[in-house]
Amino acid sequence: GQNIDQPTEMTATEGAIVQINCTYQTSGFNGLFWYQQHAGEAPTFLSYNVLDGLEEKGRFSSFLSRSKGYSYLLLKELQMKDSASYLCAVSRRSGGYQKVTFGIGTKLQVIP
Amino acid sequence: DTGVSQNPRHKITKRGQNVTFRCDPISEHNRLYWYRQTLGQGPEFLTYFQNEAQLEKSRLLSDRFSAERPKGSFSTLEIQRTEQGDSAMYLCASSLIAGAIEQFFGPGTRLTVL
Repeated sequence: GQNIDQPTEMTATEGAIVQINCTYQTSGFNGLFWYQQHAGEAPTFLSYNVLDGLEEKGRFSSFLSRSKGYSYLLLKELQMKDSASYLCAVSRRSGGYQKVTFGIGTKLQVIP
Repeated sequence: DTGVSQNPRHKITKRGQNVTFRCDPISEHNRLYWYRQTLGQGPEFLTYFQNEAQLEKSRLLSDRFSAERPKGSFSTLEIQRTEQGDSAMYLCASSLIAGAIEQFFGPGTRLTVL
């Protein structure tokens, strides 16, 4: 089986930096996704980490440690529109294809 | 707009009725996924197609659920004899086999079973 853990809720202030952590346990690990999902909308892709280290993409960065089963999403210069759920998702090999399993999501509220 | 479309966007039905949802993936994408998402949860995998072949089904997909992708393009998800517990958002996603494995999600179909 597999287990993905992330905090259910976080609150941060506009203009600040927030780090959303995700830990996972899985076999056949390939990589880790972060998706953003606004209320009532579909998830949208933010990042995909395969190798250890930090990948930066504008205000968003994602880090992966495969040996520790740990990832985080870093959001800088927070804006009100960043209020959303952030889904950590693990990609693993299953029956010859890549199967993606999602965590429950971290609901981030950005306050003025 | 990711290029993945789903219809209808909302469906309200009475318990015991059958419902069918449609997903049109991005045209060159050969992989298609169905997920179910309830409030406060992440998407849960239901089933997966590569072209027209259904390669995996979750144990969440009871006998009342069936999915097809007859020509390897659009897909349908049918729920027979709906139950109140089927109320959820049903998400479709598509991706390419080669290259990036990012899944592009459609807007979802929100099902309410009364």
